[in-house]
Amino acid sequence: QKEVEQDPGPLSVPEGAIVSLNCTYSNSAFQYFMWYRQYSRKGPELLMYTYSSGNKEDGRFTAQVDKSSKYISLFIRDSQPSDSATYLCAMSPTGGGNKLTFGTGTQLKVEL
Amino acid sequence: DAGVIQSPRHEVTEMGQEVTLRCKPISGHNSLFWYRQTMMRGLELLIYFNNNVPIDDSGMPEDRFSAKMPNASFSTLKIQPSEPRDSAVYFCASRTGINQPQHFGDGTRLSIL
Repeated sequence: QKEVEQDPGPLSVPEGAIVSLNCTYSNSAFQYFMWYRQYSRKGPELLMYTYSSGNKEDGRFTAQVDKSSKYISLFIRDSQPSDSATYLCAMSPTGGGNKLTFGTGTQLKVEL
Repeated sequence: DAGVIQSPRHEVTEMGQEVTLRCKPISGHNSLFWYRQTMMRGLELLIYFNNNVPIDDSGMPEDRFSAKMPNASFSTLKIQPSEPRDSAVYFCASRTGINQPQHFGDGTRLSIL
């Protein structure tokens, strides 16, 4: 079993929908949690960076961490076609991650 | 500010050839990471450097892979000899400090025929 599990999708939603992306993990030592967005043929781009449990909001994006359930989520409100990309969760026991463990990514398509 | 710069963007070569991938981290960043991304295994850390010193190379697949960081602004990942199973996208990332997130380049798409 992988340390980080992520549904690969693809997930297709209409423009304006609320999108929920999720990861589960097994290593209770993980303290730092990140979401990266990766467009086709580009490198991962950091979206959200959180420490321990709780919520963090940045514009249309909200990251949620539930350490008791070993479950993290990324919510995208008012989704746009430009949000179409692959979303990768990543986590680490230390900040910034000497060793980030990534999920395999969820492919999202937001349709007009 | 310029991001992490990788070259070449694409590389196609025949099995057995030496391949050298290059990375220029963001100026002022003191940690550098090399990753490999495949459909089957996702993103995997190969090796990382702190202040130009290799800290953990446990992710390097085998002795055919080697990485160097001769100075704070340049790193190479070399595969010799290359094999078809090395085909993947190789990413370089850098960060400023221990509690800071990693920033990625756009990768080198490597195809070994």
